[in-house]
Amino acid sequence: DTGVSQNPRHKITKRGQNVTFRCDPISEHNRLYWYRQTLGQGPEFLTYFQNEAQLEKSRLLSDRFSAERPKGSFSTLEIQRTEQGDSAMYLCASSPGTVRIPLHFGNGTRLTVT
Amino acid sequence: KQEVTQIPAALSVPEGENLVLNCSFTDSAIYNLQWFRQDPGKGLTSLLLIQSSQREQTSGRLNASLDKSSGRSTLYIAASQPGDSATYLCAVRERDDKIIFGKGTRLHILP
Repeated sequence: DTGVSQNPRHKITKRGQNVTFRCDPISEHNRLYWYRQTLGQGPEFLTYFQNEAQLEKSRLLSDRFSAERPKGSFSTLEIQRTEQGDSAMYLCASSPGTVRIPLHFGNGTRLTVT
Repeated sequence: KQEVTQIPAALSVPEGENLVLNCSFTDSAIYNLQWFRQDPGKGLTSLLLIQSSQREQTSGRLNASLDKSSGRSTLYIAASQPGDSATYLCAVRERDDKIIFGKGTRLHILP
């Protein structure tokens, strides 16, 4: 088990372009979380999944953002028509169904919108 | 709405000192509280997980306590080292399994 994997590590894009990030959770972790983190701030909750079901979306997640986890394994986060304010680190985390196991994070995808 | 606050926002201490980081939360209906470490530009590394029924957890030089009724947790670091320099984040896991973070404490250990 290699932990939570996120790709790409870095993404530079021009304003108005669409970007997609991928997260591969630890196998058999049925919970998957997406967070956004800007400089000097803690991670802000975006959305989370139990298997393929999206349980909640934060108000931070505008209609330009969409997340999927089609087969309950990997997840993608897409941002359409990117804006400079979308520049941030996007973090993915996973956990099994039991709350007794810690949440495990990937190394994140750093997005820079120019 | 759950709010998690960490005090202080930043802390600099000489190497070898013991120190305490504080975390408070507004809604005590939580499953657990987790402390993380984050190095610049990196993801989060789990340090300690305290279940709501527990009072404290220890790992090496780290000790985390939880007082759920008062909405407080502390992370105690003994005999600090320069390698402990990082941002420390606490997060609570709510009953609906959402996990809410504080803004972190940036710790700098002076050699």
